Amino acid sequence: KAGVTQTPRYLIKTRGQQVTLSCSPISGHRSVSWYQQTPGQGLQFLFEYFSETQRNKGNFPGRFSGRQFSNSRSEMNVSTLELGDSALYLCASSPDGGRGNSPLHFGNGTRLTVT
Amino acid sequence: LAKTTQPISMDSYEGQEVNITCSHNNIATNDYITWYQQFPSQGPRFIIQGYKTKVTNEVASLFIPADRKSSTLSLPRVSLSDTAVYYCLVGGPNAGNMLTFGGGTRLMVKP
Repeated sequence: KAGVTQTPRYLIKTRGQQVTLSCSPISGHRSVSWYQQTPGQGLQFLFEYFSETQRNKGNFPGRFSGRQFSNSRSEMNVSTLELGDSALYLCASSPDGGRGNSPLHFGNGTRLTVT
Repeated sequence: LAKTTQPISMDSYEGQEVNITCSHNNIATNDYITWYQQFPSQGPRFIIQGYKTKVTNEVASLFIPADRKSSTLSLPRVSLSDTAVYYCLVGGPNAGNMLTFGGGTRLMVKP
């Protein structure tokens, strides 16, 4: 089975711009979660989508949004970029969101740099 | 939500056994304990998961005492390639539980 695929791998944007990141989960996985990883804050949960519905949301401002398509592929969007948004954005998929005995499968992330 | 506490860092030498302990005092009845490994600029990778007692796979063992308030990841005979950050994660099957990664343990294996 192919793993979780995230595109693009690297991205450089200017403050004030907006960005869209893409995630293709493992085939058959209906849950997609997004995480932000920075040196200072570690891995922080952004949101989770399951069957096209947002099931959980972390403590991030409304500039961070996402969606999931009928084929379980997911996108996340960050509007009005700030310097502090520079981070590694990770996507994870699982059959049911990593609960119970269903671990998360992570992609290798999109490295976003905001200048 | 069960919060986890792990040592920030650990050092070891090649060939040694490494034990990393995670505290999760408010673990819920339905929560599983899962450990992930992360290398720089890569996503975390699942290592092992357990509910109680002991679980072993080809890369690690997980020891969980009867009260389940802590767990210990055991890596036998580590090599330089085991240098990574290790995360302990506690979560249950109920929709609505948010998954929270703690700070992780940075393991440095020296030659």
